[in-house]
Amino acid sequence: NAGVMQNPRHLVRRRGQEARLRCSPVKGHSHVYWYRQLPEEGLKFMVYLQKENIIDESGMPKERFSAEFPKEGPSILRIQQVVRGDSAAYFCASSPAGNGNTIYFGEGSWLTVV
Amino acid sequence: GESVGLHLPTLSVQEGDNSIINCAYSNSASDYFIWYKQESGKGPQFIIDIRSNMDKRQGQRVTVLLNKTVKHLSLQIAATQPGDSAVYFCAEKWDNFNKFYFGSGTKLNVKP
Repeated sequence: NAGVMQNPRHLVRRRGQEARLRCSPVKGHSHVYWYRQLPEEGLKFMVYLQKENIIDESGMPKERFSAEFPKEGPSILRIQQVVRGDSAAYFCASSPAGNGNTIYFGEGSWLTVV
Repeated sequence: GESVGLHLPTLSVQEGDNSIINCAYSNSASDYFIWYKQESGKGPQFIIDIRSNMDKRQGQRVTVLLNKTVKHLSLQIAATQPGDSAVYFCAEKWDNFNKFYFGSGTKLNVKP
């Protein structure tokens, strides 16, 4: 069984460029979560999506960040006009339902902004 | 808010000893808790979970204890092995979604 797949694993962007991070959930899972982790810190919730719907984006910065989970294809976390402070590990997780379930994480995408 | 915390940032144990990692959570309404293990450069790996209607749950070499009175969670690892070296996070949720709040983590070092 394939787990949560994230790509790219490592991404380097110059300030002002765009970063796109992709996440394919566990097969059969329709709920996706994005978390951000700074070095030596815990994971911070960003956004929770179901297919074609954003359920909770309370952890997303108001500007430059967006997320989608289309009917077909992976979930995408998009960061426009990246700044050095965006450098972090971005983790995607998925679950089969939206409440009371364990969420399973992918291996992460490490974004470095130079 | 996000105020799950851990008492010890770093824990060093001898191989073969038992390890206890503690976690203080802030929200008395939290109903579900998970312990994750994260190795360097990897994603968090599920270890064990517990719901608020339980006070103890056992897995393979791991036990989670929940004390709702003092809002405390612990992870016990029996016969700690070098492969257990990692950062351990507790995570809690309290709303209707699988929106988890993570602590800052405890680094476990297992000495051979």
